[in-house]
Amino acid sequence: AQKITQTQPGMFVQEKEAVTLDCTYDTSDPSYGLFWYKQPSSGEMIFLIYQGSYDQQNATEGRYSLNFQKARKSANLVISASQLGDSAMYFCAMCSNTGNQFYFGTGTSLTVIP
Amino acid sequence: NAGVTQTPKFQVLKTGQSMTLQCAQDMNHEYMSWYRQDPGMGLRLIHYSVGAGITDQGEVPNGYNVSRSTTEDFPLRLLSAAPSQTSVYFCASRRDRGNGYTFGSGTRLTVV
Repeated sequence: AQKITQTQPGMFVQEKEAVTLDCTYDTSDPSYGLFWYKQPSSGEMIFLIYQGSYDQQNATEGRYSLNFQKARKSANLVISASQLGDSAMYFCAMCSNTGNQFYFGTGTSLTVIP
Repeated sequence: NAGVTQTPKFQVLKTGQSMTLQCAQDMNHEYMSWYRQDPGMGLRLIHYSVGAGITDQGEVPNGYNVSRSTTEDFPLRLLSAAPSQTSVYFCASRRDRGNGYTFGSGTRLTVV
């Protein structure tokens, strides 16, 4: 069985500072993908970033980067230069490339303080 | 705009009533899924499909049915609504296993 764990129910960060949101996962499949989604208070789910298990470099998308540590089975999201609009719920997700199910963690609520 | 369309956006049901949540995508995606989101529990997979005519159960399938007669549509049926099914329901689609999901805007369902 696959499992995603997000241990930080809530996080606060000062505007313009960087913040790291933790995500660990558990899978026995050698090939898998890791994803981060943002859910603002309006409710929509917004895809942020993807990391494949065989990717040699950490994924980056603008101010988002994924700190992928395969041996530790962690896929932390780093948001640089936080903005007020970054306040939202953030979900880590995983899908094995040999399976069909896409699993989500329980999420981290991020609040950016002016 | 291309994407995943869910209807209705809001619904109130009485216990025991049945209804269908509609989901359609126009991106020719093979994979589609239904999730429910409850406070503190993230998104939990109800049912999913890997193509027309193929469906399977997720983590929390009890009380729900699905079918996939076309690539575009993936309706979710509540057979006999219960208060425990009060939740926000998301439909999502993706092209293949190596891609993330595109989500619909959600349906907020209340069962009284």
